[in-house]
Amino acid sequence: GNSVTQMEGPVTLSEEAFLTINCTYTATGYPSLFWYVQYPGEGLQLLLKATKADDKGSNKGFEATYRKETTSFHLEKGSVQVSDSAVYFCALSGGADSSYKLIFGSGTRLLVRP
Amino acid sequence: EAQVTQNPRYLITVTGKKLTVTCSQNMNHEYMSWYRQDPGLGLRQIYYSMNVEVTDKGDVPEGYKVSRKEKRNFPLILESPSPNQTSLYFCASGGVGIYGYNSPLHFGNGTRLTVT
Repeated sequence: GNSVTQMEGPVTLSEEAFLTINCTYTATGYPSLFWYVQYPGEGLQLLLKATKADDKGSNKGFEATYRKETTSFHLEKGSVQVSDSAVYFCALSGGADSSYKLIFGSGTRLLVRP
Repeated sequence: EAQVTQNPRYLITVTGKKLTVTCSQNMNHEYMSWYRQDPGLGLRQIYYSMNVEVTDKGDVPEGYKVSRKEKRNFPLILESPSPNQTSLYFCASGGVGIYGYNSPLHFGNGTRLTVT
């Protein structure tokens, strides 16, 4: 079945450092890919999405490109801020067996120090 | 304000005592779903509903029940809770179209359940 694998956390960075959080997926068909962010004590919020190969999703300085050839959707940000500290989830939906199901990775905690 | 409201935020109960976690959305979304979040496992889907009176099992439905009598509400029922159901629970809703989601999922703020 479909699945999502994320890099283990926590990831600890200094403010203004470059961020990469790796995400790879396994899916049949053509899924949509998402990054959700969870701030402490809150539910998940959609950060960005991409619905087809080579699409780039972007929001709040974060970017991720849908790479079908490497089945990846890595999250990047050029200069992180303390306020970016949160848990980040990669997810997919659609494809051959999960049209209405959102399948999540295990989450990566990001801690940004001043 | 568009939102998904879950209650309660925190709940401590004992094994076997029936409980209900409520979920309500004000966006007229067809799709609603329950997830549980456990360390190292991410979010796993418990049940979902495509519309009123239409529900289906997710990946981890054992020990849970749901109902969808109205479009806005999707309660999660634990008839006989056990300690392995101690977890953080999230309700979510979204609009759907022919090819899947046509809006991002909106999540509630979570319910932290402890079963002793």
